[in-house]
Amino acid sequence: AQRVTQPEKLLSVFKGAPVELKCNYSYSGSPELFWYVQYSRQRLQLLLRHISRESIKGFTADLNKGETSFHLKKPFAQEEDSAMYYCALSDAGGFKTIFGAGTRLFVKA
Amino acid sequence: DARVTQTPRHKVTEMGQEVTMRCQPILGHNTVFWYRQTMMQGLELLAYFRNRAPLDDSGMPKDRFSAEMPDATLATLKIQPSEPRDSAVYFCASGSSLLAGGTPGELFFGEGSRLTVL
Repeated sequence: AQRVTQPEKLLSVFKGAPVELKCNYSYSGSPELFWYVQYSRQRLQLLLRHISRESIKGFTADLNKGETSFHLKKPFAQEEDSAMYYCALSDAGGFKTIFGAGTRLFVKA
Repeated sequence: DARVTQTPRHKVTEMGQEVTMRCQPILGHNTVFWYRQTMMQGLELLAYFRNRAPLDDSGMPKDRFSAEMPDATLATLKIQPSEPRDSAVYFCASGSSLLAGGTPGELFFGEGSRLTVL
């Protein structure tokens, strides 16, 4: 069965500290993995996708097929990174997209 | 600026009443999703459509929930009768499938409909 697991509901770090938001998935096949972010009073929006291997706002995520993980990382957290982060998995055709439970990140000054 | 539009933004109703939420996807998108957001479960997929055809509604309680796309510009999610446990934020999202020239998994979300059932 398809599943996305985000083990941490809340993550609190100080400004300038490294941050890692964990995501593990279960999928029989080759999924597409994504991170979405929801800032306060804004719509949920795509942050990055694994296939692009890009860095957005200093965030990167590497797909580890052996560990079935797609953790989101940033070396130096900023206060404006405080938001709700969702890991998502889509089937190869992009028809079905499921999300994890989300992790709320607080970056303290 | 094309956006997904959802109505109503807020709805307070009493248990047993019918609730209908509406979504206008981005013009040209051929996939539409309904999600429910709660503190405990996060974003749960309720149903999704491709080219207006329902592909999967296994996430919905069938006895009370129904989802339809009467046309390409409107998707509806109906709860009848509503119960207090249905209180949540309901999100609609649209996107384009790979065959339609889109990026798989890149979804555009509405602002959500916050439902409170008393």
